[in-house]
Amino acid sequence: AQSVTQPDIHITVSEGASLELRCNYSYGATPYLFWYVQSPGQGLQLLLKYFSGDTLVQGIKGFEAEFKRSQSSFNLRKPSVHWSDAAEYFCAVGPPNFGNEKLTFGTGTRLTIIP
Amino acid sequence: NAGVTQTPKFQVLKTGQSMTLQCAQDMNHNSMYWYRQDPGMGLRLIYYSASEGTTDKGEVPNGYNVSRLNKREFSLRLESAAPSQTSVYFCASSEGGGGPRAHTFGSGTRLTVV
Repeated sequence: AQSVTQPDIHITVSEGASLELRCNYSYGATPYLFWYVQSPGQGLQLLLKYFSGDTLVQGIKGFEAEFKRSQSSFNLRKPSVHWSDAAEYFCAVGPPNFGNEKLTFGTGTRLTIIP
Repeated sequence: NAGVTQTPKFQVLKTGQSMTLQCAQDMNHNSMYWYRQDPGMGLRLIYYSASEGTTDKGEVPNGYNVSRLNKREFSLRLESAAPSQTSVYFCASSEGGGGPRAHTFGSGTRLTVV
């Protein structure tokens, strides 16, 4: 069965510093990969997605993610964080099978920004 | 666009009571989903519907029923609420039509069962 691991439960970063959130997946083939962000009291918003092609994917709000097949990873990065980036971030995977649309979500990483 | 609309936003139930969570999307999406979110467990799929008239169990379906009323609406029913069903519930939709697609989420329903 597919699975997603986000090893970091909570990360604290200073405003203006760079950020990397880790995501590792377990699946036989290359899955579809997603990153979502959840602000307090809100639903999840799609940051970016990877289906195929260029392994460096650009998303909204200045985020990017890099797919590394050899490491089964899809880490999220941002060069310089802003206080408004404080939120919870979820990685998700979906199998590349026609007719199977279910996503599996990681347990999330909470990001705290300090001034 | 409203996107995905969930009602109610908050609800407190007594053990054994029933209720229905409503969800509607205006994006003409084929697929709809119900998830629950619990601390430290991420989102877990309860039920999903690939199209009007079809539903399928997810990871945690026990204690829940769903109805895909039409293409726009997908409701989740708790017949006899239990404290273990205290959670935040999210409805989502996606285009469907083959392979996983990005989900659009509603803002959630925070349910407390006492």
